[in-house]
Amino acid sequence: DIVMTQSPDSLAVSLGERATINCKSSQSVLNRSSNKNCLAWYQQKPGQPPKLLIYWASTRESGVPDRFSGSGSGTDFTLTISSLQAEDVAVYYCQQYYNSPPEYTFGQGTKLEIK
Amino acid sequence: EVQLVESGGDLVQPGGSLRLSCAASGFTFSTYWMHWVRHAPGKGLVWVSRINPHGSDTDLADSVKGRFTISRDNARNTIYLQMSSLRAEDTAVYYCARGPCCGRTTGSFDIWGQGTMVIVSS
Repeated sequence: DIVMTQSPDSLAVSLGERATINCKSSQSVLNRSSNKNCLAWYQQKPGQPPKLLIYWASTRESGVPDRFSGSGSGTDFTLTISSLQAEDVAVYYCQQYYNSPPEYTFGQGTKLEIK
Repeated sequence: EVQLVESGGDLVQPGGSLRLSCAASGFTFSTYWMHWVRHAPGKGLVWVSRINPHGSDTDLADSVKGRFTISRDNARNTIYLQMSSLRAEDTAVYYCARGPCCGRTTGSFDIWGQGTMVIVSS
């Protein structure tokens, strides 16, 4: 089983400042045949479904503002919001989609608030 | 507009059954993997099940194996989650989500429905 662990559990950042969320997997999620990391980031606001932000660890979904970026490889990944906006208040989840049989494990979530 | 709309959530007693539906529109439904994901109150997201574009290949999380079944009707652009032997711990918002298409198996979930609430309680 692949376990996804996010840090921190919660984060308060001032408007305009950088926010960084980390995600660590218990084993590598790098697909060696494609050389792609099977890692996605989602944003979930209260009362709304999750929204895909980043896939393959660093590819931004269409329509997602470029202040959101993803990085990392293997077991360690980061979601960065370069300049926090009020509308970015949400819970953020990482997810692996690497293994078979599938688990599609999510991290426990990181709650992002305004300081 | 690409859209997923879930329905069928309800209050059900422990041991009971329920069928959830997810109607898709705005895309070529029959070419996409589809998933169910649940979100229990105060907890994180948990993947439940997936089904391939043709409906011939399905997978279930260990926590629901033997109790839940996923299926799809491509003529109706709809997937289903048949849930039986329901337990209190199945209480959650159930989302359907779109996976990869066009021959790919591996991928993230790019479209999500608004969810339907299932409450298992006596």
